[in-house]
Amino acid sequence: KAGVTQTPRYLIKTRGQQVTLSCSPISGHRSVSWYQQTPGQGLQFLFEYFSETQRNKGNFPGRFSGRQFSNSRSEMNVSTLELGDSALYLCASKLAGAETQYFGPGTRLLVL
Amino acid sequence: KQEVTQIPAALSVPEGENLVLNCSFTDSAIYNLQWFRQDPGKGLTSLLLIQSSQREQTSGRLNASLDKSSGRSTLYIAASQPGDSATYLCAVRRIATGANSKLTFGKGITLSVRP
Repeated sequence: KAGVTQTPRYLIKTRGQQVTLSCSPISGHRSVSWYQQTPGQGLQFLFEYFSETQRNKGNFPGRFSGRQFSNSRSEMNVSTLELGDSALYLCASKLAGAETQYFGPGTRLLVL
Repeated sequence: KQEVTQIPAALSVPEGENLVLNCSFTDSAIYNLQWFRQDPGKGLTSLLLIQSSQREQTSGRLNASLDKSSGRSTLYIAASQPGDSATYLCAVRRIATGANSKLTFGKGITLSVRP
């Protein structure tokens, strides 16, 4: 069974631009969560989607948004990029009612 | 607000040594605690999950314990191998689902096992 896939794997943007990251969960998984990982703050929760609805949200500004499609694929968007948005963005999927999350390899975003 | 601390940030041991990685959390009202492994530039792999009603979980050479009352968990690695070199993160979940069910992570311990 294919694991969680994230595209693109690497991305370079400049301040002020916007970016869209994509996550395809494991087949059958309807829950998708997004995390930001930086050396200073560690792993921080962004949001969780389940069946196209945002179920949970972390403490990030409104520039960070996401959505989930009917096939459970998810996208996150960051508008008006700042230097501090440079990070590894991870998504994770899991089965409904299960506890174990399966993480993708991440998208490394560099904002110049 | 839940805070998860892992000290030290880095650890280097010779191959074959048994070692313990520590994790502490400030709010004992947790639903479960998980230990993850992260290899450089990669995503996370779940190692062990301990429900709040459990005291420990074992998988192969790994054993994780949980003491909710003191807000501590340990990950014990027996007979360490160079392949165990990675960053180990612990994470706690406050409730099962819905609002506030997110995982709160520690910053991780980077382990290096010297051949």
